[in-house]
This record gives sequence, structure tokens and C-alpha cells, in this order.
Amino acid sequence: GDSVTQMEGPVTLSEEAFLTINCTYTATGYPSLFWYVQYPGEGLQLLLKATKADDKGSNKGFEATYRKETTSFHLEKGSVQVSDSAVYFCALGGSARQLTFGSGTQLTVLP
Amino acid sequence: SQTIHQWPATLVQPVGSPLSLECTVEGTSNPNLYWYRQAAGRGLQLLFYSVGIGQISSEVPQNLSASRPQDRQFILSSKKLLLSDSGFYLCAWSGDETGRNTIYFGEGSWLTVV
Repeated sequence: GDSVTQMEGPVTLSEEAFLTINCTYTATGYPSLFWYVQYPGEGLQLLLKATKADDKGSNKGFEATYRKETTSFHLEKGSVQVSDSAVYFCALGGSARQLTFGSGTQLTVLP
Repeated sequence: SQTIHQWPATLVQPVGSPLSLECTVEGTSNPNLYWYRQAAGRGLQLLFYSVGIGQISSEVPQNLSASRPQDRQFILSSKKLLLSDSGFYLCAWSGDETGRNTIYFGEGSWLTVV
């Protein structure tokens, strides 16, 4: 079945550092890939998505490229801010009726 | 535009008491609806999903139940809460049943069972 493996956290960075959160997946067919963000005490918000191979999703300075050859969808940001501190979830939308989520990665950005 | 609301936002309930969490979606028709649970420090667990009125699929056997009395209303219930039911409950909706479309989440409900 479909599965998502996400980089274990927590991740702690200094402000303006470069961020990478790894995400790899297993799926049949051609799934859609998503990154969601959860700020403390809130629900999940869609951060970005990609629906086919080589697509790049981007939002708020975050980017992720759908790599079919490596079955990956790594999240990157060139310069993180304190306000980016949150939990990040990679997710896959494939043959099932609902998304398959990774376990989440806690990011803390220090000033 | 579409919106999703769930309530109450926070509740503290004693063991053995009943539970009712309500979720409504506006601005769309015939949505797929979902209830997820997020235990402290852990990932998301899908509890129930529904593709239409009265159609509920359960992903995990437990003492919780779900109902969909109206097209855009989804209710999570329990007759007798357990300590292990504590967590953050999220309602969500999507526009189709393929799983490829975005799922949109509500604000969440914090449940503490004491």
C-alpha cells in the first residue's frame, strides 16, 4: 500500500539557516504529493502541493519538487524565520480515498 | 469560498462521560468528510471518513462513532470516554474521493479526558 517516510525530528535551526526536511514515498500509479504545516494549537494548513512528476510546489518561500525517479518530495527553504516554527507533514494522495500522512517533523527556529 | 468549522475548540470530560464533536462545511456540496485524531507528539490517525449522507467508513475499531446526518455536517461521538481518547481531533473535507485532491482541515478540538 501507499506509505510516506518523513525525516525524524525535532529539527532546530538558527534564523536565516537553510532548511531541508526529507520525504520519500511508496505508491502505485501517479500520486499527488503535499506538504502541510501545523502551527502550535492549530489545525493543519496546506503549504504546497505537486500533482505530477517534476512539478515544483512553492509557497511562503518553501519549495518542494516531485521527483519520481527518487520517489521524493523534500521540503526546502533558503532562509528560515522564527515564525516558521511548526510541525511539517508530508502527505500522499493516491489510490486510497484519503491522504497518507508522514509522522511529522517538528521545526524550531531560534532567533 | 469554502470554510470548515468544528466545535467545541476545547473540552475536558470525565472518564465514562459522553462526547459529541461537531463539524460543518460551507461553500461546497457533497464533500468527503474526515475525522482524524492526533495524540500528543504523534502523527495523524484517520478515524472515520464519509463520502455521503449516512455513509461512514471506520478506519480504526474503538469506542468512537461518527454520523453524517446532513450533507455538510459530520459528528464524532462516544457513549463512554476512556482516558486514551484524549487528543487533538481534526475534522477535514475534500472535493473528491480519489485522494488526489487537497484535504482542508478545521481548527481542531482539544479533548482531555480526566
